[in-house]
Amino acid sequence: QVQLQESGPGLVKPSQTLSLTCTVSGGSISSGSYYWSWIRQPAGKGLEWIGRIYTSGSTNYNPSLKSRVTISVDTSKNQFSLKLSSVTAADTAVYYCAREKEYYFDYWGQGTLVTVSS
Amino acid sequence: QSALTQPASVSGSPGQSITISCTGTSSDVGSYNLVSWYQQHPGKAPKLMIYEGSKRPSGVSNRFSGSKSGNTASLTISGLQAEDEADYYCCSYAGSSTPWVFGGGTKLTVL
Repeated sequence: QVQLQESGPGLVKPSQTLSLTCTVSGGSISSGSYYWSWIRQPAGKGLEWIGRIYTSGSTNYNPSLKSRVTISVDTSKNQFSLKLSSVTAADTAVYYCAREKEYYFDYWGQGTLVTVSS
Repeated sequence: QSALTQPASVSGSPGQSITISCTGTSSDVGSYNLVSWYQQHPGKAPKLMIYEGSKRPSGVSNRFSGSKSGNTASLTISGLQAEDEADYYCCSYAGSSTPWVFGGGTKLTVL
C-alpha cells in the first residue's frame, strides 16, 4: 500500500521560501509511470493544483504560480519536494502531495498546514 | 486556466439521488473524457470516487456514478446516506503543459 507523508515547517515568514518534502513509502518513487504532484487548499476554499514532477525530472507548473515554484525529486530518498518563493499570506494553506496515475490522483498525503505570518 | 464551475451546495434526504455538475470549457472538460471526482470529509485528504469520467475505483460504492455532456461533467449519488455528507471536487485534464484544473467544490448536505 503506497503512502505519502508531507513534512516541513508549519510557519513561514512573508517574503521567505516555503519548503516541503513528500516521502513515499510502500513503493519506489521511480517505479511505474507516475507523476508526483503538489496540491494546496486554503482554509474553507477549494483545491489548487501547484505542479508535478516525473521521476525523469520533467516538471509542469500551474501558470499562476510558475514564477515562484520549483519541484524536485530525490529518488535515492524516495522523496519529492516543493519550494515556493516570496510567500505572502495568500499562500497560507494545507499542502497535499499526491500520486498521479494516468489521469487521476489515486494516493494523497494527509496534508500539512503552512501558515505565512511574521 | 480558470477553475471549473460547481454549485456551492446541494442537499438531499437519505435514500434520494442528487447530481453535482462541473462545467468547464472546450479546452478541458469538453476536450477530454478525463474528469475525476474526489470526496473530502472535514480535516481529511480528498478521496478518489470517479475517474476517467465514469469509472469507479475498487472499493467505491456503485451508488456513485459519473457522466459527461459537452463541457459539463456530472456526479450522481443515488440512495443518499449520512456518510455521503462531504465536499466534492471535480478535476479535469487540460492538456500536457498545464494538465490539471479543479472545480471550486460542492458541499453536500444530507438532510
